[in-house]
Amino acid sequence: DAGITQSPRHKVTETGTPVTLRCHQTENHRYMYWYRQDPGHGLRLIHYSYGVKDTDKGEVSDGYSVSRSKTEDFLLTLESATSSQTSVYFCAIREGQGYGPLHFGNGTRLTVT
Amino acid sequence: EDQVTQSPEALRLQEGESSSLNCSYTVSGLRGLFWYRQDPGKGPEFLFTLYSAGEEKEKERLKATLTKKESFLHITAPKPEDSATYLCAVSNNAGNMLTFGGGTRLMVKP
Repeated sequence: DAGITQSPRHKVTETGTPVTLRCHQTENHRYMYWYRQDPGHGLRLIHYSYGVKDTDKGEVSDGYSVSRSKTEDFLLTLESATSSQTSVYFCAIREGQGYGPLHFGNGTRLTVT
Repeated sequence: EDQVTQSPEALRLQEGESSSLNCSYTVSGLRGLFWYRQDPGKGPEFLFTLYSAGEEKEKERLKATLTKKESFLHITAPKPEDSATYLCAVSNNAGNMLTFGGGTRLMVKP
């Protein structure tokens, strides 16, 4: 258990509304990640963080922003949700400082109607 | 751009029928190749890391191998509880993120 909690687990929202997903970790890992998983596309990186207030874009960052004001929390915000952002969102942490594996939370299923 | 391709997309096996899953990759300086298992409604669960060609890792009925172009996940005498989606991912020289393949959905029938 990597000590990762994602909230909410499920959310339904309407097109055009803002949405924030939360990822909380209990083990003080430096690196945190947001991925989305869609049929036919696999897991794709949205944004990641390498420290408090240090973030960078991934492959599919358009329409998403992130914030990390504390080591333990990494927030993903959809400023104005669209139907194409209907997906399952996974948060992950990286163990250690080198090239170790990621460990994932159990995801948030987001539906944009 | 790093790319990972997994085959087959789906695989049906009878219990006890051994087989292999393939992960082909192109990467700018491989730093690690990772295998994950994912059950429905759950996040990916880490299985193995392979760092260099020729390396092998084993865990129960699973054995992962690595060459310069691909990795195999060999499943020996699978059981129904091995049914899951298996994901492969690579990390490159920058090392900050993993690039994933589309996965292989394995179904083992009793």
